Amino acid sequence: IAGITQAPTSQILAAGRRMTLRCTQDMRHNAMYWYRQDLGLGLRLIHYSNTAGTTGKGEVPDGYSVSRANTDDFPLTLASAVPSQTSVYFCASSDSGGIATDTQYFGPGTRLTVL
Amino acid sequence: QKEVEQDPGPLSVPEGAIVSLNCTYSNSAFQYFMWYRQYSRKGPELLMYTYSSGNKEDGRFTAQVDKSSKYISLFIRDSQPSDSATYLCAMSEGGTSYGKLTFGQGTILTVHP
Repeated sequence: IAGITQAPTSQILAAGRRMTLRCTQDMRHNAMYWYRQDLGLGLRLIHYSNTAGTTGKGEVPDGYSVSRANTDDFPLTLASAVPSQTSVYFCASSDSGGIATDTQYFGPGTRLTVL
Repeated sequence: QKEVEQDPGPLSVPEGAIVSLNCTYSNSAFQYFMWYRQYSRKGPELLMYTYSSGNKEDGRFTAQVDKSSKYISLFIRDSQPSDSATYLCAMSEGGTSYGKLTFGQGTILTVHP
């Protein structure tokens, strides 16, 4: 069982370019999340989805969009990348539609640099 | 001021030491408290979870929550080099904010032999 996979592992991107970070889970979890991790700021929630077909905004959603067409995939798109979006991006999933007590399982992360 | 404050360290201790990691928070609606461990260049993994005030023990790890002081702690007894990682506290209100966690900045811990 792979758990959560993220692609690419790392990417250098020119400012203004469009980029989609991919996230796939094989645990049939209902809820999925995208976080960014920055030094000194910890992990901050970008967007979440409690079940396929629904999404919601987290703490720092501006400049990012998500879709949840099926249970397994939750891509994160940067429509026009800016240098402040340089970060490590983590995808996570949890079992029961996002109940607070559920364990969130994290992927290995995508390191994105926007120049 | 951030909702959750955590001393980023870094913290360096000898093997066998007792380690104390702490977070303070300002949102009195937080009810669920978690500690995640993150090894270098890996994703975080849940270490311990507690609900409301009180203590919880799991092997060498003890989590404490004091809601009256808005303060949570993680103690590691007999620390090992394999405990070297970044430790992140996380909190949630529950209710309609299901699954939405607020994290501290993380504390970098090194246990040297």
